[in-house]
Amino acid sequence: DVKVTQSSRYLVKRTGEKVFLECVQDMDHENMFWYRQDPGLGLRLIYFSYDVKMKEKGDIPEGYSVSREKKERFSLILESASTNQTSMYLCASRDKFYEQYFGPGTRLTVT
Amino acid sequence: ILNVEQSPQSLHVQEGDSTNFTCSFPSSNFYALHWYRWETAKSPEALFVMTLNGDEKKKGRISATLNTKEGYSYLYIKGSQPEDSATYLCAFDNNNDMRFGAGTRLTVKP
Repeated sequence: DVKVTQSSRYLVKRTGEKVFLECVQDMDHENMFWYRQDPGLGLRLIYFSYDVKMKEKGDIPEGYSVSREKKERFSLILESASTNQTSMYLCASRDKFYEQYFGPGTRLTVT
Repeated sequence: ILNVEQSPQSLHVQEGDSTNFTCSFPSSNFYALHWYRWETAKSPEALFVMTLNGDEKKKGRISATLNTKEGYSYLYIKGSQPEDSATYLCAFDNNNDMRFGAGTRLTVKP
């Protein structure tokens, strides 16, 4: 079974803190993605990566950066967390046969 | 930003009713169309991946159709059950990344 894990299910941070969200997949997938989910807006793509050290901006990259130093790990970084980044964050990886597998999500609250 | 639209936004049906939802997407740069089912407190679960115009897929009581020329896909649920209650997401895939619609939230009342 494909497994995508995220470092935390729930996280509470203060405004201005640097936040790291980690995602690990165990199926040697090349493509990995970070989304955020907000009520009424569905899943919005923040960043994605199609190889180690490669990254592409999604629809809403502002306020975020990413790191892909190893194939299995894709990190989302909030350089200076703000209250409007309170959201559910979902990581996903994708196999070459189209299918995308999601992690369990991290619910981040910024106070 | 690519527009992937889903309608309706939410739907309440009685157990046993059949229902359907729509996903519309850009007709250019099409690679695949995905349907996911997302239950509260769980990860989205893949239902179907469709790649060819005219594709029809079926899994139990759930089926989907695809029209890539006009840019829409329908998801049908026959004889809805309370356990079908979830948010159904579609995603447009251009072989580079995927763009999701906002989802249709289905509630099936016993």
